[in-house]
Amino acid sequence: DQQVKQNSPSLSVQEGRISILNCDYTNSMFDYFLWYKKYPAEGPTFLISISSIKDKNEDGRFTVFLNKSAKHLSLHIVPSQPGDSAVYFCAASAYGQNFVFGPGTRLSVLP
Amino acid sequence: DTGVSQNPRHKITKRGQNVTFRCDPISEHNRLYWYRQTLGQGPEFLTYFQNEAQLEKSRLLSDRFSAERPKGSFSTLEIQRTEQGDSAMYLCASSPSANQPQHFGDGTRLSIL
Repeated sequence: DQQVKQNSPSLSVQEGRISILNCDYTNSMFDYFLWYKKYPAEGPTFLISISSIKDKNEDGRFTVFLNKSAKHLSLHIVPSQPGDSAVYFCAASAYGQNFVFGPGTRLSVLP
Repeated sequence: DTGVSQNPRHKITKRGQNVTFRCDPISEHNRLYWYRQTLGQGPEFLTYFQNEAQLEKSRLLSDRFSAERPKGSFSTLEIQRTEQGDSAMYLCASSPSANQPQHFGDGTRLSIL
């Protein structure tokens, strides 16, 4: 029973274009969502978060959108840079409890 | 460096041996989490602490696994009688409180021969 899904294992984008990473969840109790980036041999690094009372949060080149009715969130990276190439995980939690992570999407930004 | 520190970075051991990992969280972070990650998967929750209290344990955490956080500072994760299936990356994370971003260490990679 995978509560957080990232259905695209990989994504390739040209440098300077927009990267859109998607995440779907099944547990309607989730009220806090995060995106992490992970480089090889390192732990995940926090990127951006959003609580369920909002539908959008922006931080520089990163924007997260939340559609509660569809149980869907997405991460937009604009413009994409080669240094953004990494594995991206979305994660969700309910009522301040433990976080559930998706399986990740590998983003490759091509020069 | 004031990030989350995990030791050792790598551990190779024979099946049946006991292993212990250590995590030093960011100072004054009340919450400490342990995760396990295998190839191609996201981190899987194992357990977490609020200060020294262990508040939740995943059903993934069999009786062979035990975690402690004495005095609410560093934490240890022990695996007894290791099995082949225990081979994974063990990640520790800390956060100031609930509903705050977690900061991860670089993990301990466990290999069971």
